[in-house]
Amino acid sequence: QITLKESGPTLVKPTQTLTLTCTFSGFSLSTSGVGVGWIRQPPGKALEWLALIYWNDDKSYSPFLKRRLTITKDTFKNQVVLTLTNLDPVDTATYYCAHNVGPYYGSYFDYWGQGTLVTVSS
Amino acid sequence: SYVLTQPPSVSLAPGQTARITCGGNNIGSKSVHWYQQKPGQAPVLVVYDDSDRPSGIPERFSGSNSGNTATLTISRVEAGDEADYYCQVWDSSSDHLNWVFGGGTKLTVL
Repeated sequence: QITLKESGPTLVKPTQTLTLTCTFSGFSLSTSGVGVGWIRQPPGKALEWLALIYWNDDKSYSPFLKRRLTITKDTFKNQVVLTLTNLDPVDTATYYCAHNVGPYYGSYFDYWGQGTLVTVSS
Repeated sequence: SYVLTQPPSVSLAPGQTARITCGGNNIGSKSVHWYQQKPGQAPVLVVYDDSDRPSGIPERFSGSNSGNTATLTISRVEAGDEADYYCQVWDSSSDHLNWVFGGGTKLTVL
């Protein structure tokens, strides 16, 4: 049974750095073809893909946020960490991590965490 | 970057057939996936690889993809199908590798 859960601060100030952790179970990030991605959703708006990391440490980032994002994995802890720098109120969103069935071509997200709402406000 | 276009809303009565479209340049050459998101909940995969269903998803949910349009079809719509639906593809047409979502379609069951 695959599960994922996001954790991190619920309120951050503008210009600060956001660090979110995805803790998962039921699969290993050392297994070929496996990936974990981050997707966010501002209140009342659509889903937006942010970043993804694969079992072989290949990483991809949204071209719109690439300079502000970093994704890393800890295979032994079964965790994936996302950092987003220089926060702005427009970064207020629910942030999801999700298991990716890949790699790359045609890949999709078959299991999602419950999401964590992050508010950026002074 | 690659853009997916969905109608903002679709409304119909119970028992009818809902068709939610997802437009994109030559989308027929890509694998399209669909997610259902109910209020306050995480998205759930309902169709992958254009027309396959994950286990536990009713046969009423089906998909097709050709040309510049992919379609999610929900037969015999029920009140419990009321949700937002998002299409998604993987794109490498630019220098970046991208997982792209459509803008979402709100399905209302009257």
